[in-house]
Amino acid sequence: EVQLLQSGGGVIRPGKSLRLSCDASGFTFKNYALTWVRQAPGKGLDWVSTISDSGNRTYYADSVKGRFTISRDNVKNTLYLQMNSLRGEDTAVYYCAKGNWNYDSWGQGTLVTVSS
Amino acid sequence: AIHMTQSPSSLSASVGDRVTITCRASQGIRNDLGWYQQKPGKAPKLLIYSASTLQNGVPSRFSGSGSGTDFTLTISSLQPEDFATYYCLQDYDFPRTFGQGTKVEIK
Repeated sequence: EVQLLQSGGGVIRPGKSLRLSCDASGFTFKNYALTWVRQAPGKGLDWVSTISDSGNRTYYADSVKGRFTISRDNVKNTLYLQMNSLRGEDTAVYYCAKGNWNYDSWGQGTLVTVSS
Repeated sequence: AIHMTQSPSSLSASVGDRVTITCRASQGIRNDLGWYQQKPGKAPKLLIYSASTLQNGVPSRFSGSGSGTDFTLTISSLQPEDFATYYCLQDYDFPRTFGQGTKVEIK
């Protein structure tokens, strides 16, 4: 059974940094691209970033480009999202998802609240 | 970026009704479109990919169609567990973009 277990959310002040993690099991991690999607309170889904299976290709939404960094460790089977220079508009539930195009498995979500 | 326009934004329907949700892309995206269902407080769930392929384990009352710019998700006979919000997602190009969602409520 595929499992994606997320950690690292919380309350953080504007301008600060936070790293999210997504621990994967139940599939051959190194063979799949992975994605982060977020959802602001009461709003729709918003694609954030995708990383290729090997990690050598990354893609970002314009709203996070230059501030967020997606990465992965194919030995630890873990996906990361390093979030720097956080803003109020980054407040959301963040989900990791397996895949580059059809996201067939999702993490449970972790809430990031950016507030002074 | 490709803009996805989803309609309606919400609808009220009864159990047993046929429900149709549409998604229009701002440019052609072949059949590179998926449909997701999300219930409150839960992660989204993949229903359909490549516009019309049913994900494993998804009931056959869900179906998808379309190609190019116009796509449809149909629920042939609405069940109580189908009351949720539905999103389309284009995976033709980066940045990936979701429709704004359709909330299906009980009439």
